Parts: sequence; structure tokens; C-alpha cells
Amino acid sequence: DGGITQSPKYLFRKEGQNVTLSCEQNLNHDAMYWYRQDPGQGLRLIYYSQIVNDFQKGDIAEGYSVSREKKESFPLTVTSAQKNPTAFYLCASTNWPPDNSPLHFGNGTRLTVT
Amino acid sequence: DQQVKQNSPSLSVQEGRISILNCDYTNSMFDYFLWYKKYPAEGPTFLISISSIKDKNEDGRFTVFLNKSAKHLSLHIVPSQPGDSAVYFCAASPTGAQKLVFGQGTRLTINP
Repeated sequence: DGGITQSPKYLFRKEGQNVTLSCEQNLNHDAMYWYRQDPGQGLRLIYYSQIVNDFQKGDIAEGYSVSREKKESFPLTVTSAQKNPTAFYLCASTNWPPDNSPLHFGNGTRLTVT
Repeated sequence: DQQVKQNSPSLSVQEGRISILNCDYTNSMFDYFLWYKKYPAEGPTFLISISSIKDKNEDGRFTVFLNKSAKHLSLHIVPSQPGDSAVYFCAASPTGAQKLVFGQGTRLTINP
């Protein structure tokens, strides 16, 4: 079955540590996205990538970094510079160029930083 | 600057009745709109979409209505079923941009 796999489902880190969230897709989609969900704020775009070795900042990129070395993979690193890292992180993918196909989402990673 | 707004954080509806979820947007460049459904600890799943050339789109129990002049869209679910209890997000983008802007979500609870 095609889909998006995010791992781990739950992640706990100490403040000051960097942490990398995994996202893998086997849908053969060119574009991949990272969103963050906080209570009462909907989903906010962190980074997105339309092709391998290229990515763009979203609306809340500060304190995050990404890489896109393979079409299937788009890992997100939450750095110690991110002031409020505790959140639910969602990875998504879709076709590129855009054809109004909906985004497909993974099941998310809940990150807790204490 | 909240470009897509869902002003009702929650909605409670009796099973079998109609559920109406509302969404307002401010960006006149938006011309493609989607609704997603989300269960706790899962990713959102696509429900239904509409482009600005239409004012209505139906898919089974789900209908989305778009009022471009009012910059308002709504999702109607009829009849409502217990499995419809979830958080519903509306999202919007300019055609071809594929950078969706999401609303805050509305938690729908269907009561037996």
C-alpha cells in the first residue's frame, strides 16, 4: 500500500537537544511538506520541497532545518533554537507541478520537549 | 494574519441530523478549497474539494458550498453519523500553488 510513514509516533527530548523527525513516502510524489499543529491554531507550514535537493521556507521555519537528498525522504530537524518545539508534526506529499491533487498526510509525530 | 478562519471551535449535532461547518477566508487569490477530517493522533485525510468556478460540490453525504462574494464556504454532512465525530479543517490555496493555508479546525461531535 502506498503512503507516508512518519517515525517515531511519540518522541521525548530534553531542552537544548536537536531532534530529527523522519518522513518517508512511497507514493512517487515530487513535493513534500512539513506542518506543525498546535491546539487552536490549525496547521502551519514549516518547510516544503518540490524536487530533490531543493526546499523552501514556509511560514514558521525559524528553528527548523530540512534536507531532501532522496525523493522518498524529507527529514525535519528541530533545533535547540526553536523556542516552542513541543507540538504535533505532520508530513505531507503531493504531485508536482500542482494539479489540485490533495495533500496526503502521514500519521504525525508528537514531540515533547522538557 | 489568519487568512482562513473557522470561527466555531466546536459543534455538537444529533445523529441523523445535518452538520454544517463554516469557513471564511480573506485572500481573494484563493481559488481552490478543501476540507480535511482528522481523528486524534492521526494525520488529516482529504474529504472534499471545490474550485472557484463552482459553487457546489457533492460527494455522497458531504456537500461543500462556496460563496465567492462573501468569501465563505461551508461543509454540509447529512445525515450525520457517529463516525463523523472528528476535527474538520478547511484549507485554501491559489490554483497551482499547492501551499495550503489551513483554518484552526472545528471539533464535530455527533451525539447518539
